[in-house]
Amino acid sequence: AQKITQTQPGMFVQEKEAVTLDCTYDTSDPSYGLFWYKQPSSGEMIFLIYQGSYDQQNATEGRYSLNFQKARKSANLVISASQLGDSAMYFCAMREGDRGSTLGRLYFGRGTQLTVWP
Amino acid sequence: ETGVTQSPTHLIKTRGQQVTLRCSSQSGHNTVSWYQQALGQGPQFIFQYYREEENGRGNFPPRFSGLQFPNYSSELNVNALELDDSALYLCASSIGASGVVYNEQFFGPGTRLTVL
Repeated sequence: AQKITQTQPGMFVQEKEAVTLDCTYDTSDPSYGLFWYKQPSSGEMIFLIYQGSYDQQNATEGRYSLNFQKARKSANLVISASQLGDSAMYFCAMREGDRGSTLGRLYFGRGTQLTVWP
Repeated sequence: ETGVTQSPTHLIKTRGQQVTLRCSSQSGHNTVSWYQQALGQGPQFIFQYYREEENGRGNFPPRFSGLQFPNYSSELNVNALELDDSALYLCASSIGASGVVYNEQFFGPGTRLTVL
């Protein structure tokens, strides 16, 4: 089974609007971390936001927020006030185990291509 | 910019050849992970090095091997190249201490390998 599922191959949003990118995950480990990365066409993975499985509140970082619904095993990324520079591929990823686990292996989804239009 | 550098940026090889990709980790980071990203896919974990030792491996054959040097830079070596090895290879560095690896991984810009 896929550990990370991103069902939206592509999303379009108008500048200044908000957009939600979907991510569901599958793990039996009670301790895990969820990440969102942005990958522009240049290829570099840019870290956006992190949510730990025991975190009580949804993570926020500037215009990025993570809508964490543990019972549904979903971790959707919300981008508010979209900008043209937000156009990129977005990946959801998961690490299993405690934050201090020996192996920080990340499992990635297939990504969502976001296009912001003027 | 994360401070993680990779070389070369692009590389073209033919089937059967061998290739070495290089990664310099961010200052102070002692752990390097390597990922393969095929076109249209998410990155797949190859292996990780912590303090010059392999610290875990994904589902990749033995012809994918690596090294980490005392300065924590790393190499990924691929022998007997196959067409399916064409991909973007990403390295990520992070900080580990006393066998514990923290999870903030900082990625380099990647090396795009084409196998003809």
